[in-house]
Amino acid sequence: AQKVTQAQTEISVVEKEDVTLDCVYETRDTTYYLFWYKQPPSGELVFLIRRNSFDEQNEISGRYSWNFQKSTSSFNFTITASQVVDSAVYFCALSEAPIRSNDYKLSFGAGTTVTVRA
Amino acid sequence: DTEVTQTPKHLVMGMTNKKSLKCEQHMGHRAMYWYKQKAKKPPELMFVYSYEKLSINESVPSRFSPECPNSSLLNLHLHALQPEDSALYLCASSPPSGGTYNEQFFGPGTRLTVL
Repeated sequence: AQKVTQAQTEISVVEKEDVTLDCVYETRDTTYYLFWYKQPPSGELVFLIRRNSFDEQNEISGRYSWNFQKSTSSFNFTITASQVVDSAVYFCALSEAPIRSNDYKLSFGAGTTVTVRA
Repeated sequence: DTEVTQTPKHLVMGMTNKKSLKCEQHMGHRAMYWYKQKAKKPPELMFVYSYEKLSINESVPSRFSPECPNSSLLNLHLHALQPEDSALYLCASSPPSGGTYNEQFFGPGTRLTVL
């Protein structure tokens, strides 16, 4: 069974502060995929990043960066110089290799609500 | 076209009504998904269709009936729902495996209220 833990329920910061969201996962598979999704108040889940288990390179995309460490089963997400528009619920998710060719089951963490105050 | 669309955006129905949720994508994705999301909770997988065949049913009550008429369309037929079924219903799709990416792309959701 796979499991994703986001220990932080809510984080509140002032604009321009950095914020790091923690994600710890459990899986028995050697091949798996990790994701971060953003869900603003409008409700749509927005895909942010995917990482394969065999690719431990960290990644930076604008103000977003991700730190993947297999040794600690963690896939943390940092927003640098936060902005009000970053206010949303952020979900970390895990998907193991599909049972059949095409169906991926995503297991979501409980989510972290980020509030950025002006 | 790089989006998943869902209709209606909002739906209010009585417990004896029959209604349907619709999801559409034109990205050539061959897997489509229904999720249910209660307030302040993560999405929970309900059904997965792979190449228009039902692949995964996460023990969903029979009052929810999915249908995949073609590779672009996914419906969720609702009948005799309960108030606790009120939630945001999200549709997603993902590209065929064998490609480089397998992330799921989500629609904006249908906010369902059962009275």
